[in-house]
Amino acid sequence: GNSVTQMEGPVTLSEEAFLTINCTYTATGYPSLFWYVQYPGEGLQLLLKATKADDKGSNKGFEATYRKETTSFHLEKGSVQVSDSAVYFCALKQRDSSYKLIFGSGTRLLVRP
Amino acid sequence: EAGVVQSPRYKIIEKKQPVAFWCNPISGHNTLYWYRQNLGQGPELLIRYENEEAVDDSQLPKDRFSAERLKGVDSTLKIQPAELGDSAVYLCASSLAGTGGYNEQFFGPGTRLTVL
Repeated sequence: GNSVTQMEGPVTLSEEAFLTINCTYTATGYPSLFWYVQYPGEGLQLLLKATKADDKGSNKGFEATYRKETTSFHLEKGSVQVSDSAVYFCALKQRDSSYKLIFGSGTRLLVRP
Repeated sequence: EAGVVQSPRYKIIEKKQPVAFWCNPISGHNTLYWYRQNLGQGPELLIRYENEEAVDDSQLPKDRFSAERLKGVDSTLKIQPAELGDSAVYLCASSLAGTGGYNEQFFGPGTRLTVL
């Protein structure tokens, strides 16, 4: 079946450090891939997405590249801020569905000043 | 623009009691979703509505869970009776109607249910 695996957290970094949160997936065909972010007390928000191999999604300084050969969609940011502290969810959507998202278990990021 | 509104934000009940959660989607969004998020896990879809019709309820435990979306706007998710294993965060999301591609789902803050 379809699944998403994320690195376990929490990930603790100092401000301005480089961030990588690993995400790998298992799916048939060519899914679309997403990163969602959940700030404390708020709902999940779409951070970025990629719909085909080699696509790079980017937003707010975050980037992730759809790597078909390694079935990965790692999230990166060159310089994190305290305000980036949140839980990050990787998710996939099968191409034959317009809505059904399969989420990973989430990775908590804590950025210290 | 107001986001997805959910209430209550927190609910503590004893097992075997009933509980209900309410969701008001973003105005104009005719697709509504209920998800359950267990501790340390990602959200899992329970049910999806297109207007007032439940078009995917395959993951809804129908023996104790029910949902309704009267008039195709607000929705209520009910559990009766609640069990200890129902403790989780219940998320509501909404989106525009599907047209073949992905329509971004906008999530509410969730209701955290604790069953004692």
